[in-house]
Amino acid sequence: GEDVEQSLFLSVREGDSSVINCTYTDSSSTYLYWYKQEPGAGLQLLTYIFSNMDMKQDQRLTVLLNKKDKHLSLRIADTQTGDSAIYFCAESIPGTGNQFYFGTGTSLTVIP
Amino acid sequence: GAVVSQHPSRVICKSGTSVKIECRSLDFQATTMFWYRQFPKQSLMLMATSNEGSKATYEQGVEKDKFLINHASLTLSTLTVTSAHPEDSSFYICSASGQRLATDTQYFGPGTRLTVL
Repeated sequence: GEDVEQSLFLSVREGDSSVINCTYTDSSSTYLYWYKQEPGAGLQLLTYIFSNMDMKQDQRLTVLLNKKDKHLSLRIADTQTGDSAIYFCAESIPGTGNQFYFGTGTSLTVIP
Repeated sequence: GAVVSQHPSRVICKSGTSVKIECRSLDFQATTMFWYRQFPKQSLMLMATSNEGSKATYEQGVEKDKFLINHASLTLSTLTVTSAHPEDSSFYICSASGQRLATDTQYFGPGTRLTVL
């Protein structure tokens, strides 16, 4: 199956930037996504990037995609305590009925 | 827009009973719905994919007779956990896709916490 990997934990101080990384193995993915999950809640779509783009910026969020290295990152500028959550990357692969492959999730802790 | 609801949000039941979880797309037509299971501090595990009006496609290792999925309309899918046992206790999350965006993005429900005593 498809492997999508993330580091499990990240701690940053409030006001600093956070960078969450994700690597994947299937180069045929069409879209790559970042979701946020707060404790006991479902997943909230943060942003997505089409596979032919290498960067997308949306307010405090910057997504970088290195398709050659199959590496995706999410940068959160001016990280706030409300950003503490688990972040999942996911990719959709054509021909799978829009099935998503999720990463293992990165738990972000923001220290006041 | 693109809101998905789940009901109930929490359910506690006795071993051997059946539990039904509903997933609704509130403001769009969901041609495809997905059911996931999430164990504590783990990622989401896809259980099955259902398209409106047809039988669900189950992932390997998921018992279709135990986890009954019905997707009778473009706004509603149900997951019934039959004869639930303590090992079925988990967080169940649905998502819906309706080609609302070019990305066919999945929109997730808030999840249902099932505890089987």
